[in-house]
Amino acid sequence: SAVISQKPSRDICQRGTSLTIQCQVDSQVTMMFWYRQQPGQSLTLIATANQGSEATYESGFVIDKFPISRPNLTFSTLTVSNMSPEDSSIYLCSGGRETQYFGPGTRLLVL
Amino acid sequence: AQKITQTQPGMFVQEKEAVTLDCTYDTSDPSYGLFWYKQPSSGEMIFLIYQGSYDQQNATEGRYSLNFQKARKSANLVISASQLGDSAMYFCAMRGPNTGNQFYFGTGTSLTVIP
Repeated sequence: SAVISQKPSRDICQRGTSLTIQCQVDSQVTMMFWYRQQPGQSLTLIATANQGSEATYESGFVIDKFPISRPNLTFSTLTVSNMSPEDSSIYLCSGGRETQYFGPGTRLLVL
Repeated sequence: AQKITQTQPGMFVQEKEAVTLDCTYDTSDPSYGLFWYKQPSSGEMIFLIYQGSYDQQNATEGRYSLNFQKARKSANLVISASQLGDSAMYFCAMRGPNTGNQFYFGTGTSLTVIP
């Protein structure tokens, strides 16, 4: 199994600002994933973060809006840039080998 | 394309009773993995149980068991002896070899355990 920590756990941000979310895994994993979950909905994959290469973004998500870093095999960050109220969501990271384990999530509210 | 379907948006169960949460999937991959996660109101996603497509026996983890019917492409979660703490959202997910380890999630089922 893998233990994943994520911070911040929650934040309230002003429109137009940016927030960087950090995700730490207690073991080395090849791929990490970033998801967004809007209220009452399922998880939507934002991007896959591979160490040593650029992240792979899903349709509807772009690097300028959601830049991702993956400096090593245990850490990744997701930045939500130029935020608007529509970005208010839970953001979750995951990692693991066969099974994906999730961090506790970041609850973001944009005013 | 991979697809996961959960047709029960909400379920109720009496405390100490068993409940089955439905999940069907669609894939052309011969090798895949099926997962169930629990998401309480706190928002964390908790891994519950895993079933591999080549596993001969249904997976079990404590009070959780997975009723895997490969021909029907279903992977229902059975929770026995429900407890109040089981009230949460439950998500079925699938991973295939050609998905780059990406998981596909269903829309979830909200389970409420009634005392």
